Amino acid sequence: EVQLVESGGGLVQPGRSLRLSCVASGFRFDEYSMHWVRQAPGKGLEWVSGISWNSGSVAYADSVKGRFTISRDNAKRSLYLQMTSLRVDDMALYYCTKGGYFDWFLQTDPFYNWGQGTMVTVSS
Amino acid sequence: QSILTQPPSMSGAPGQRVTISCTGNTSNIGAGSDVHWYQQLPGTAPKLLIYDNNNRPSGVPDRFSGSKSGTSASLAITGLQPEDEADYYCQSYDSSLRGSKVFGGGTRLTVL
Repeated sequence: EVQLVESGGGLVQPGRSLRLSCVASGFRFDEYSMHWVRQAPGKGLEWVSGISWNSGSVAYADSVKGRFTISRDNAKRSLYLQMTSLRVDDMALYYCTKGGYFDWFLQTDPFYNWGQGTMVTVSS
Repeated sequence: QSILTQPPSMSGAPGQRVTISCTGNTSNIGAGSDVHWYQQLPGTAPKLLIYDNNNRPSGVPDRFSGSKSGTSASLAITGLQPEDEADYYCQSYDSSLRGSKVFGGGTRLTVL
């Protein structure tokens, strides 16, 4: 069974940084792209960032480009999201999701599996 | 304003058939990008319901089906059940947004 467990969320002041983590199990982590998707309170879903199975390809939504960095450690079966210069509109539940098999282009595959999310609250 | 447009809410009685639309443009659905659908039950994480326009992952009942035509896609639910009450999101890829996966704004389905 695929399991994705996020951590690292919390309360942070605007302009500060936070690092999210996601530990995966139940599948060959090093063969799949991974993504972060967020959901602001009471709002819809927004794709944030994706990374290919070998970290060779990354992509970001325009809303976070230059502020967020996605990375992964296949040996630790872990996905990360380093968030800097956080803004109030970054406040959301951040989901770790499993993408496509050996997906390089990070374009067409769906988000096959989802974690339960970790909440990021940005407030002074 | 979402790139993909869905009706904010829909409702239906148990046993009925409902269809949720997802309208895009020539940069996403109309460009041939596949459409995927997710179901989010209250208080839970989204779950993949339909992938690549009309395919069901293992375990998804065949009451759920998807279709795509031109710049739009649809999710149909037949034999509506109380447990189908949830938010439904379509998702695709938009070539005009420099490599961005995009979601519809979501449709809240109420089972009367």
